[in-house]
Amino acid sequence: QQPVQSPQAVILREGEDAVINCSSSKALYSVHWYRQKHGEAPVFLMILLKGGEQKGHEKISASFNEKKQQSSLYLTASQLSYSGTYFCGTEGGSQGNLIFGKGTKLSVKP
Amino acid sequence: NAGVMQNPRHLVRRRGQEARLRCSPMKGHSHVYWYRQLPEEGLKFMVYLQKENIIDESGMPKERFSAEFPKEGPSILRIQQVVRGDSAAYFCASSRNPGPGLHEQFFGPGTRLTVL
Repeated sequence: QQPVQSPQAVILREGEDAVINCSSSKALYSVHWYRQKHGEAPVFLMILLKGGEQKGHEKISASFNEKKQQSSLYLTASQLSYSGTYFCGTEGGSQGNLIFGKGTKLSVKP
Repeated sequence: NAGVMQNPRHLVRRRGQEARLRCSPMKGHSHVYWYRQLPEEGLKFMVYLQKENIIDESGMPKERFSAEFPKEGPSILRIQQVVRGDSAAYFCASSRNPGPGLHEQFFGPGTRLTVL
């Protein structure tokens, strides 16, 4: 039931765009996106709800395709500060806990 | 407004000892989640608690691990008779009230447990 993220890793030059995908084999009610820098705690980015709108803040946005049970995270005009590992989380067996994907490691180079 | 607090930040134990990890949720949050993260891996759900109740412990090993969230005080994750394989980062997260319109979880800084 763990969601599958792709790609596993991506290297960008500053200013380039990236898309990170998250897919699940089970029906999804919500998808959460987090970013974690090395040695730090995951930081919440956004939550997408079934039937909800595409979300975004600054140059990071996400979409949620309920039929395909997929979510995508879009990073445009990437900045050095975007480097980190991005995790998507989907609801687990009980309301509340999240099942996280293995993460996508993003490296932005100058 | 303080975030989720965890202590200690680093904990070293010898095999066979006990480890106690503490988590104080954000103000106004009554739901706590514990996750374990091995190096270069994702977060694995362990247990979900409300005050004085364990809601879901499906991710927690059946032996040696226990968790509580008392009416007063922090949530505690307890690992008895630690083994080297328990070495990991343990993150606690809290939320206001999950359910339809699931609220975001805010993570603490983690406790890095090293078992010698």
